[in-house]
Amino acid sequence: QKEVEQDPGPLSVPEGAIVSLNCTYSNSAFQYFMWYRQYSRKGPELLMYTYSSGNKEDGRFTAQVDKSSKYISLFIRDSQPSDSATYLCAMTFSGGSNYKLTFGKGTLLTVNP
Amino acid sequence: NAGVTQTPKFRVLKTGQSMTLLCAQDMNHEYMYWYRQDPGMGLRLIHYSVGEGTTAKGEVPDGYNVSRLKKQNFLLGLESAAPSQTSVYFCASSYSSTRNQPQHFGDGTRLSIL
Repeated sequence: QKEVEQDPGPLSVPEGAIVSLNCTYSNSAFQYFMWYRQYSRKGPELLMYTYSSGNKEDGRFTAQVDKSSKYISLFIRDSQPSDSATYLCAMTFSGGSNYKLTFGKGTLLTVNP
Repeated sequence: NAGVTQTPKFRVLKTGQSMTLLCAQDMNHEYMYWYRQDPGMGLRLIHYSVGEGTTAKGEVPDGYNVSRLKKQNFLLGLESAAPSQTSVYFCASSYSSTRNQPQHFGDGTRLSIL
């Protein structure tokens, strides 16, 4: 079983749709959870960063962590063509070993005008 | 505010050639990392550094060497390039682990080995 599973998609939605992106993980020691957005031919850029369970909202983006189910989600409201990118989940431990991020393989999202 | 800068952006090598990829960050970060990204494999950690003068192996270190002579720079070397090293290489940096800060990435170096 891989540590982090992420559906690669591709996911195609119309402009204005609500998008749900998800990752599951197997290691209950993960404490910090991140979502990165990667445009074509660019490096990943940090989108959301959360600690432990709960929700975090930033504009049109909401990150949700359910540690009991080992499941994290990223919701995008009122999706725009500029949201078209690959979305990577990443997670790490608390404490001395948290330099090492474990990434999902990414979900390719296309938002059609 | 450049963040993380990688050079070169593209490079084509022949099998057996050597080269060095350069990474520079201007955020005064302690930690620096080298990843490779391949289709279907995601991001994999090659080597990392927790401070000037220190380096350590990641998941896929074979065939690569690194050096961190200055805090702001992290170099990735390929001594004898192989076709299996064709990939997109990303450098990242972050503050020390005690602050649990996320990593910031450069825009990558696309490397083809013929």
